[in-house]
Amino acid sequence: DQQVKQNSPSLSVQEGRISILNCDYTNSMFDYFLWYKKYPAEGPTFLISISSIKDKNEDGRFTVFLNKSAKHLSLHIVPSQPGDSAVYFCAALHNDMRFGAGTRLTVKP
Amino acid sequence: DAGITQSPRYKITETGRQVTLMCHQTWSHSYMFWYRQDLGHGLRLIYYSAAADITDKGEVPDGYVVSRSKTENFPLTLESATRSQTSVYFCASSESKASGSRGEETQYFGPGTRLLVL
Repeated sequence: DQQVKQNSPSLSVQEGRISILNCDYTNSMFDYFLWYKKYPAEGPTFLISISSIKDKNEDGRFTVFLNKSAKHLSLHIVPSQPGDSAVYFCAALHNDMRFGAGTRLTVKP
Repeated sequence: DAGITQSPRYKITETGRQVTLMCHQTWSHSYMFWYRQDLGHGLRLIYYSAAADITDKGEVPDGYVVSRSKTENFPLTLESATRSQTSVYFCASSESKASGSRGEETQYFGPGTRLLVL
């Protein structure tokens, strides 16, 4: 039972353009959402988060949007840079953390 | 070095053998976690620990044993390894258990152990 879904396994964008990574969840009890970034051979690192009482959180080039009615969140990266190429995991938590399967982002120079 | 470390980084073992994966953190975080990462599943929680001598099951605990005799160490043992346990294992730590109702919280991950069970 996958409660957090990232339906796009991969995404490719041009440097300087916007990257939009999507995440859907099924459990309405989730009250906090996070995005993690993972480079090969490294552990995931925290990127940005949002509480369920908000609909937007921005940190530099990264913005996370939450649509509770649709049980959907997205991560926007603008402008995208080649160093952003990594796997991005969406995570949601209530009593423990549930992760999506990840989306591999490739930013082409 | 400060942070969270895992050893070994790579391990090959055979079905039926016991193998222990080590995790060590220097932040004195109360909470520690073990996840496995498999293609198509993301990271799934195996076990977690709230403090020394306190552990609890996560989403996929079967076939695994943990202990936490010291705050800084959280070893994960596969008592009789199976091929289905071939995976990448990540240890993580945090100051408190991730709970959105308590405000912003995040977990810090180790570099991972890649385990192959033949």
